[in-house]
Order: sequence, then C-alpha cells, then structure tokens
Amino acid sequence: AQKITQTQPGMFVQEKEAVTLDCTYDTSDPSYGLFWYKQPSSGEMIFLIYQGSYDQQNATEGRYSLNFQKARKSANLVISASQLGDSAMYFCAMRDDQAGTALIFGKGTTLSVSS
Amino acid sequence: DVKVTQSSRYLVKRTGEKVFLECVQDMDHENMFWYRQDPGLGLRLIYFSYDVKMKEKGDIPEGYSVSREKKERFSLILESASTNQTSMYLCASRLGGTELKGYTFGSGTRLTVV
Repeated sequence: AQKITQTQPGMFVQEKEAVTLDCTYDTSDPSYGLFWYKQPSSGEMIFLIYQGSYDQQNATEGRYSLNFQKARKSANLVISASQLGDSAMYFCAMRDDQAGTALIFGKGTTLSVSS
Repeated sequence: DVKVTQSSRYLVKRTGEKVFLECVQDMDHENMFWYRQDPGLGLRLIYFSYDVKMKEKGDIPEGYSVSREKKERFSLILESASTNQTSMYLCASRLGGTELKGYTFGSGTRLTVV
C-alpha cells in the first residue's frame, strides 16, 4: 500500500530564512505523482507544487521547490525566504492510482514563521 | 477556475441524526472524493467516485455512505451521527483521464456532533 510520512509535527523559522519540510513516501508503482499543499487557518487547501516520478528535474514554483530524491523516496519541500504568511499546515500527498486517483496524505507539518 | 462548493461551512448535529454533507463542482469533473481531517492524522479518504452512480470505499468508510446521482454532486451521508464523527470534512474533484494534477478542494465543512 502507498504511504506518505511526514515526521515533523511542527517547524519554526525566522522571516527571510529558508526552511525544508520533510516527506518520504512508499510505493511499488513506477508511475506516481507527488504534491504539496498549504492549509492556512481558514481551512482551504492551496496547491503548491507537483513532481511526477518521471520528471527529470526538480519542480520549482516561485519560492517553492521540491527536492526529489527518487532512490531515497523523499520529496522534501523547500521554502526560500520565508514570509509571515507562510505560517500554515503543510501536507505532502501522493496520487493513488489504485483508489480512483485519490490523493493520500501525510499527517502534515505546522510551520510557524516569526519576525 | 474550477469551483468546488461545500454547502455548509459549520454544522452542529445531534447524536443519531442523519446528516447530509453536499459537494458540488462546476467543471464536469469525473472524479470526486470525500476526506475527513483530524489533528495529527492528516486527511483520510472516506469514499470516492469516478463516475455517476459509481462509488468506492476509501480507507475509513465505516459509518458513512455516499451518493452520486448527478456528475456535479457528490453527497456524504452519516447514517446515524456519532460524536467520533466530529471532524473537518473536505471534498475534492479531479478531471480524470491524463490530467494528472488538477485537484480542486472545497473549503471544508466543520461538523460537530453533540
């Protein structure tokens, strides 16, 4: 069965610093997709970044980049130059093609950015 | 932009009541999903549907059922609400086919069962 593991319940970072949120995954499927979502206190799920298993380069979207290490089965999110508005819950997720392409999620990491 | 609308933002129901949570999407998406979110547990899949009248159990279907009579609407039903079903419920949809990453989430329904 596919599984996503986020081992950091909470992370703290100062404004303008970079932070890495860890995510490891487990799947036997050679084709898969990895996602990161941000959930602020309002509850909405905001898509941040996507990495396909066959993508040759690490995905980047503005201040977000995904450090994809396929052999280690890790897909860490790197946020550069943190801002106060980055304070939120962050979820790593994988597409499960055995479950109607549902996303399976990790337990999340709460990021707190201080000034 | 695709919109996924969940009918209620907050809901308070009594134990034993039958509860309907509604989710409507406006872009002809084939796949729809219901999750519940609890602190420390992340989002867990309750049910999903890949077409009208089709439904499949997710990881935690016990105590829930679903209905998808029309493509745009996917309803989650709590047959007899219990206090352990107090949670945030999130609906999501996806186009299907080769579109690999186009998931859209609703704003969530925070259900309290008393």
